[in-house]
Amino acid sequence: GESVGLHLPTLSVQEGDNSIINCAYSNSASDYFIWYKQESGKGPQFIIDIRSNMDKRQGQRVTVLLNKTVKHLSLQIAATQPGDSAVYFCAVHYDKVIFGPGTSLSVIP
Amino acid sequence: DSGVTQTPKHLITATGQRVTLRCSPRSGDLSVYWYQQSLDQGLQFLIQYYNGEERAKGNILERFSAQQFPDLHSELNLSSLELGDSALYFCASSGGQSHNSPLHFGNGTRLTVT
Repeated sequence: GESVGLHLPTLSVQEGDNSIINCAYSNSASDYFIWYKQESGKGPQFIIDIRSNMDKRQGQRVTVLLNKTVKHLSLQIAATQPGDSAVYFCAVHYDKVIFGPGTSLSVIP
Repeated sequence: DSGVTQTPKHLITATGQRVTLRCSPRSGDLSVYWYQQSLDQGLQFLIQYYNGEERAKGNILERFSAQQFPDLHSELNLSSLELGDSALYFCASSGGQSHNSPLHFGNGTRLTVT
């Protein structure tokens, strides 16, 4: 099976600083990984994805890093803004799509 | 707007009752997923359908069942409801049978069991 965990349930950062959210997974056969953002009252929204043949992928202000050796995934948000306040989930795809427990990011103005 | 529609938005019912949650996937998506999110909890995978067939099963209780219809909409049936079933239920859809494409989520149905 697959289990997915996160290192920190909550994270507070100053506006303008960089944020790093981490995720660990258990199944080395997992081949596709996604980060989602969930705002209050809404469903999770896709942020960025990465496949297992890559180590790093960049989007607009976001970067995902994948370390398959230690089965670790991270999301970096550059110049964090108040609108980034939300719960962030990693999702690991194997035979099912399993979500981690989520990190609640608070941005301090 | 993700293109995934869930109805109803809110549902309040009593213990022991049965309810049906409905999901219309994004146009063209063949896979539908159901997740349960309890208060301050993560997303628990319940079940996935692909083009009408059950594709993967998670921690879905025997009191719960789902199906996907020929027009690709899906329904999640919850019966003999208990207080602990109160949660947000999300539907998501994706384009492919495999798990290598992002899920697009609806805004959920909030179920309250009293």
